[in-house]
Amino acid sequence: IAGITQAPTSQILAAGRRMTLRCTQDMRHNAMYWYRQDLGLGLRLIHYSNTAGTTGKGEVPDGYSVSRANTDDFPLTLASAVPSQTSVYFCASSLSGATGELFFGEGSRLTVL
Amino acid sequence: GENVEQHPSTLSVQEGDSAVIKCTYSDSASNYFPWYKQELGKGPQLIIDIRSNVGEKKDQRIAVTLNKTAKHFSLHITETQPEDSAVYFCAAMGPSDYKLSFGAGTTVTVRA
Repeated sequence: IAGITQAPTSQILAAGRRMTLRCTQDMRHNAMYWYRQDLGLGLRLIHYSNTAGTTGKGEVPDGYSVSRANTDDFPLTLASAVPSQTSVYFCASSLSGATGELFFGEGSRLTVL
Repeated sequence: GENVEQHPSTLSVQEGDSAVIKCTYSDSASNYFPWYKQELGKGPQLIIDIRSNVGEKKDQRIAVTLNKTAKHFSLHITETQPEDSAVYFCAAMGPSDYKLSFGAGTTVTVRA
């Protein structure tokens, strides 16, 4: 079934550790996004990529980095995790940045202790 | 940047009644307004969207209205059913940066 796959589904992490959340899509979408979801704050954009080889900062990029080496993969890295990064992270893709409709993965729940 | 406010944060309705969720946005240049539904443990999924060149769009039991002058848009669900229970997010997109800004979400509970 075509779609977006995120891994891991859930992770508990000690503060200061490095963590990479993986995201793969098989829809050949050009644009990909990382959002974090926190109660009362909705979905906030962390980083995005309009096409392979390019990335951009969203609303809350500090403490996170991304890469887009190819069309399918868009990993999100926390270089040194802090408790405020405890959240549910969603990867999404769209055919292009201008088309609007986002297709979301199932989410990765991250707890930083 | 764009600021989207969504009300109410929670909504409980009797099965068969209607539910209305309202959102306002700050950037008058925004031209695309989608609504997403998120079921428990899943990612959000687009249910309906509207662009700035129309004032209303309907798809079976759901409809969205847009008032560009007042900078607000609303989601209407009629004849609610238990499967409508979920978190609903509104969003707005500007014409140049193509990034969606989301509201904080509304948790809808349909009582049987």
